[in-house]
Amino acid sequence: GENVEQHPSTLSVQEGDSAVIKCTYSDSASNYFPWYKQELGKRPQLIIDIRSNVGEKKDQRIAVTLNKTAKHFSLHITETQPEDSAVYFCAASNLQTGANNLFFGTGTRLTVIP
Amino acid sequence: DADVTQTPRNRITKTGKRIMLECSQTKGHDRMYWYRQDPGLGLRLIYYSFDVKDINKGEISDGYSVSRQAQAKFSLSLESAIPNQTALYFCATSEAGVYYGYTFGSGTRLTVV
Repeated sequence: GENVEQHPSTLSVQEGDSAVIKCTYSDSASNYFPWYKQELGKRPQLIIDIRSNVGEKKDQRIAVTLNKTAKHFSLHITETQPEDSAVYFCAASNLQTGANNLFFGTGTRLTVIP
Repeated sequence: DADVTQTPRNRITKTGKRIMLECSQTKGHDRMYWYRQDPGLGLRLIYYSFDVKDINKGEISDGYSVSRQAQAKFSLSLESAIPNQTALYFCATSEAGVYYGYTFGSGTRLTVV
């Protein structure tokens, strides 16, 4: 099955700086890569996703990049704000199998220091 | 608003007891999932169901069972709870087709003493 590794496990940045979280996956057939944000005591919520037919996707201050050859993808948050503090999870899935099961990384706790 | 609701939100139970966690959704999604979240281990899939007649084991199904009572309801049972089942449990739903993102419920924090 798919194995998703996520680094770092914790990340602290100053407000206004950028944050980068990296994930690798093992199954070359995986073709869908979402990112979830989980604020303290809340449920995970989808913030951005990318499919294997594109290399980068942006949504305001967040962006995701995908390198299929190296089997890794990254989340980039620019101009970080205190409300970006949360746990972020990457995930991978193979949409073509129809299973739609997401395999999650172990999470990154991001702290933005005001 | 269409949503995914889990009950109870918190539960403390004793070792050996049977407990059921319930999930209901008003999103009209066909697919439902149960995940377990542990610190440092992320979210791990316990069971998933694509419709009422389709139930599948995930990566950590031992010690758990599920029931899909209707399209909108998916329950997780611990037949004989043990302390290492102490965790945060999430139900999630998704729609087959174009959109593949999950919608998570608000979670059930289970403590087995």
